[in-house]
Amino acid sequence: EVQLVESGGGLVQPGGSLRLSCAASGFTFSYHHMDWVRQAPGKGLEWVGRIRIQRDSYTTEYAASVKGRFTVSRDDSKNSLYLQMNSLKTEDTAVYYCARDSHSHSFDYWGQGTLVTVSS
Amino acid sequence: DIQLTQSPSFLSASVGDRVTITCRASQDISSFLAWYQQKPGKAPELLISAVSTLQNGAPSRFSGSGSGTEFTLTISSLQPEDFATFYCQHLIDYPITFGQGTRLEIK
Repeated sequence: EVQLVESGGGLVQPGGSLRLSCAASGFTFSYHHMDWVRQAPGKGLEWVGRIRIQRDSYTTEYAASVKGRFTVSRDDSKNSLYLQMNSLKTEDTAVYYCARDSHSHSFDYWGQGTLVTVSS
Repeated sequence: DIQLTQSPSFLSASVGDRVTITCRASQDISSFLAWYQQKPGKAPELLISAVSTLQNGAPSRFSGSGSGTEFTLTISSLQPEDFATFYCQHLIDYPITFGQGTRLEIK
């Protein structure tokens, strides 16, 4: 059974940093591009960033709203995905989901999400 | 950036109704369109990929169609468990974007 489990969320002050993790199981993690998507309270879905597989040199893509502040990384030996978030702003408050790219231009599995609250 | 606009944003319907949600793209996205269903407090779930490919386990009352810039999600006969928020998503280029969502409620 495919499982994605996020962790690392919490309360952080504006300007602070936080690192989210996503533990993957039930599939060959190294075969899939992986993404982060967030959802602010009461709002819609916003794609945050992607990391590709080793064959594609682990290259990354980011939404403009987080580029230069957030970094997506992965450790295939640990079946884990990460989101390093720096210079956090109040507007980064959201539930953060990790999601698996399906190889068919969609996200076929999602984690349960972890809440990040940026507030003083 | 490619914008996706869903209509309507809110829909009130009854069990058994046939409903259609439209997603319009600001430029041609070929067939790189997916649909998701999200229930309150839960993660989104993939319903349809590549415009019309039903995800394993998704009920056959869901169907997708369209091409280029206009796409539709149809539910042929609403069931109580279908009431949720639906999102379209493109994956043809970066940034990947989602529509603003369509909230489907019980009339």
